[in-house]
Amino acid sequence: DGGITQSPKYLFRKEGQNVTLSCEQNLNHDAMYWYRQDPGQGLRLIYYSQIVNDFQKGDIAEGYSVSREKKESFPLTVTSAQKNPTAFYLCATGPRGTERNTGELFFGEGSRLTVL
Amino acid sequence: GEDVEQSLFLSVREGDSSVINCTYTDSSSTYLYWYKQEPGAGLQLLTYIFSNMDMKQDQRLTVLLNKKDKHLSLRIADTQTGDSAIYFCAEPHDYKLSFGAGTTVTVRA
Repeated sequence: DGGITQSPKYLFRKEGQNVTLSCEQNLNHDAMYWYRQDPGQGLRLIYYSQIVNDFQKGDIAEGYSVSREKKESFPLTVTSAQKNPTAFYLCATGPRGTERNTGELFFGEGSRLTVL
Repeated sequence: GEDVEQSLFLSVREGDSSVINCTYTDSSSTYLYWYKQEPGAGLQLLTYIFSNMDMKQDQRLTVLLNKKDKHLSLRIADTQTGDSAIYFCAEPHDYKLSFGAGTTVTVRA
C-alpha cells in the first residue's frame, strides 16, 4: 500500500524521558513535515525537511529533534526539554518545489503522546 | 496558525448547507486550501482555489474567495452526517503550509 505510516499510534511517557515517533513514507516525496495538534490551536509546524540530510526548524522546534538520513524516513524525538509534550503529532509529506505543490500535503494517521 | 483565522465551531442540521469562514493575511498567496480531519485521523486535502479565481465548485463543495478582504469560505451543500469533522483553512508561506485553528462541524439529525 502506498502512503505514510506513523508509529506508534499511542504512546505514554514518564516525565524526563525522551521518545521517538516514527514516520515512514513510500510516496517518493521529497518534503516531509512534523506538526503538533492541540485542541483549539490547530496545527503548528515543528520541523520540516525539503531534501535528504537537510531540515529546518518550524515555529515550535524547542524541545524536539529530527533527522533525515533517508528519503523515506523522518523520525521526531520529543526530548525531556519539551515542557508540554502531551499532544497529537502528525507527519506529512509533499513534493518539493512550487508553491502550489507546497499545499498538497499527505498526512499520516497521527501519534498521540501522553506524558504521565 | 496565527496568520489564518477561523471560527472554532459550527452546528448544522442534516440536509442544510454549512458555511465555514476563514481569513488569511498574505495577499501574495497564489493558492489557498481546505483540509478535512475526521476523528482520530490525519488530514486530507479537500479542495483548493487559485487566487485569480472568485469561486470554485466541486460537487457539493463551493469555495468562495474575496481577495480584497482576504476572506475564504467553504460551503457544503446538503450536509450529511459523514461531513462531521474538523475543517482547516491553509495558506502557503515560504514553501511551508500555515493552518488555521480548525472549525469543528457537527451535523445533527
